[in-house]
Amino acid sequence: DQQVKQNSPSLSVQEGRISILNCDYTNSMFDYFLWYKKYPAEGPTFLISISSIKDKNEDGRFTVFLNKSAKHLSLHIVPSQPGDSAVYFCAASGGGGADGLTFGKGTHLIIQP
Amino acid sequence: NAGVMQNPRHLVRRRGQEARLRCSPMKGHSHVYWYRQLPEEGLKFMVYLQKENIIDESGMPKERFSAEFPKEGPSILRIQQVVRGDSAAYFCASSPSFKNTEAFFGQGTRLTVV
Repeated sequence: DQQVKQNSPSLSVQEGRISILNCDYTNSMFDYFLWYKKYPAEGPTFLISISSIKDKNEDGRFTVFLNKSAKHLSLHIVPSQPGDSAVYFCAASGGGGADGLTFGKGTHLIIQP
Repeated sequence: NAGVMQNPRHLVRRRGQEARLRCSPMKGHSHVYWYRQLPEEGLKFMVYLQKENIIDESGMPKERFSAEFPKEGPSILRIQQVVRGDSAAYFCASSPSFKNTEAFFGQGTRLTVV
């Protein structure tokens, strides 16, 4: 029973263009969402987050959009840079269950030169 | 201010042996979370501890796995009688508060069971 889903295992984008990573969730009790970036052999690093009471949060090249009615969020990266190539995880907090975060399976973003 | 330190980075164990994974939280952090990442999967929550207390172990397998966070020293995740299916990356995250959204992750320990 996967409560956080990232349906694209990988995504290839040309340098300078916009990268859009998607995430869907099923638990309407989630109240906070986060995106993490992960390089091989390293731990996840926090990128950006959004509270369920907002629909948009922006930080530099990164913007997260939340559509509560659709239970969908997306991460926009513009412009995409070679250093953005990594695995991106969507995670959710709350949900009425365990105290830890609930993660999706990740999307491997590849930025093409 | 050093980050979350996990050791060893890589651990190889034969089936039936014990594995001990250590996590030293960031300075001032008294909340620790352990996650496991199986190949091609996302991170899965295992256990949440505060100093000397297990708060939530709902993600821990019922047998062979245990965790502690003593008053002094690192948090330890212990796996007894390891099996091949325990091969995974184990990540620790520490937080200054009960909010898991404020946690910082360590670099992980990659356990390989042969």
